Amino acid sequence: KAGVTQTPRYLIKTRGQQVTLSCSPISGHRSVSWYQQTPGQGLQFLFEYFSETQRNKGNFPGRFSGRQFSNSRSEMNVSTLELGDSALYLCASSLSPSGYNEQFFGPGTRLTVL
Amino acid sequence: DQQVKQNSPSLSVQEGRISILNCDYTNSMFDYFLWYKKYPAEGPTFLISISSIKDKNEDGRFTVFLNKSAKHLSLHIVPSQPGDSAVYFCAAMREAAGNKLTFGGGTRVLVKP
Repeated sequence: KAGVTQTPRYLIKTRGQQVTLSCSPISGHRSVSWYQQTPGQGLQFLFEYFSETQRNKGNFPGRFSGRQFSNSRSEMNVSTLELGDSALYLCASSLSPSGYNEQFFGPGTRLTVL
Repeated sequence: DQQVKQNSPSLSVQEGRISILNCDYTNSMFDYFLWYKKYPAEGPTFLISISSIKDKNEDGRFTVFLNKSAKHLSLHIVPSQPGDSAVYFCAAMREAAGNKLTFGGGTRVLVKP
């Protein structure tokens, strides 16, 4: 069974640009969550999608957005990039958002903002 | 406001000995706790979890203890192996909040042969 895949793995952008990251969950998984990992703030929850609907959102500005497609694949978008957006962005998939379902993480996308 | 804290950023232990990782939380609404292990350039991997209705859960070399009154949990790894060298994250969740995980800052473990 293939794991969670994230593309691209590495990305370099400049301030003010926008970026789109992609996540393909494990086959059969319908819930996708996104996290940001930085040295200063650690691992922080961005949002969760299930059945193409955002179910939960963390404390991030509106520049961070996401969506989920009918095949459960998800994308997140960051507009007007700032230096502080440089981070590892992780995606996690699980069967559903209900109960205590194990979440499987992808390898992440390393975003560098110059 | 950091709701989940791991106060030890690093831990060094000899192979074969016990590794004890600690985690404190402040939000009494958390009802499920997890430990993840992370290697460089990889996503976190689930290790073991515990529900708030239990005080201990064991899986092979890994045991998690939960002290609800102290809002404290710990992970014991016995015996420690060089392959256990990684960053360990404690995480907490509330069933009502779906799959949202609140993570601690991580503890880097180095197991010396």
